[in-house]
Amino acid sequence: DIQMTQSPSSVSASVGDRVTITCRASQDISKWVGWFQQKPGKAPKLLIYAASSLQRGVPSRFSGSGSGTDFTLTISGLQPEDFATYYCQQANSFPITFGQGTRLEIK
Amino acid sequence: EVQLLESGGGLVQPGGSLTLSCAASGFSFSVYAMSWVRQAPGKGLEWVSTVSSTGGSTYYADFVKGRFTISRDNSNNTLHLQMNSLRADDTAIYYCARGIVVVTPTASPGYWGQGTLVTVSS
Repeated sequence: DIQMTQSPSSVSASVGDRVTITCRASQDISKWVGWFQQKPGKAPKLLIYAASSLQRGVPSRFSGSGSGTDFTLTISGLQPEDFATYYCQQANSFPITFGQGTRLEIK
Repeated sequence: EVQLLESGGGLVQPGGSLTLSCAASGFSFSVYAMSWVRQAPGKGLEWVSTVSSTGGSTYYADFVKGRFTISRDNSNNTLHLQMNSLRADDTAIYYCARGIVVVTPTASPGYWGQGTLVTVSS
């Protein structure tokens, strides 16, 4: 199985800050990574797919990059509604696996 | 508008069975792979199972293999998850999800339902 190691597990930041979350795959998965945002009591929401493609309706302050084993999600200019938990996911092969999550908190 | 509406969750005793359903609307159901993803209380996301667009191929996480069965009814735009031999550690919110692109079974889930809670307890 492909392991997805996400870091950090939590991060504190202020409105307007730039935040980067990383995910490392245990083997080469090309560009097949998705990034999700989840708020308490809500279903996850897809932000980025295929490493860098922005899902329809997602603000452009969210961006993704990487290929192979190393991937990043960047939020430029944090907004109050961005404080949530973020997950990466490998979409290369079954079994599908998720990172353990990054909790983004207000500083 | 894509809509996914799960139903069938509830309280069940260990060893019992439950069937979840997901009613889909707002898109061509028969051309997308569909998945179930779960989340135990206070924990992260965990992929459970995926069925191909035609229903001809199914994929399972090891921890449900042999106990859960995923299926779909393309004539009624409905996804199902038959869960047998339920254990306490199956307690979770179960989400129905649709891939972001057509056909590809591993495509990232682009649309999610609101989830249905399954509680396994005596």
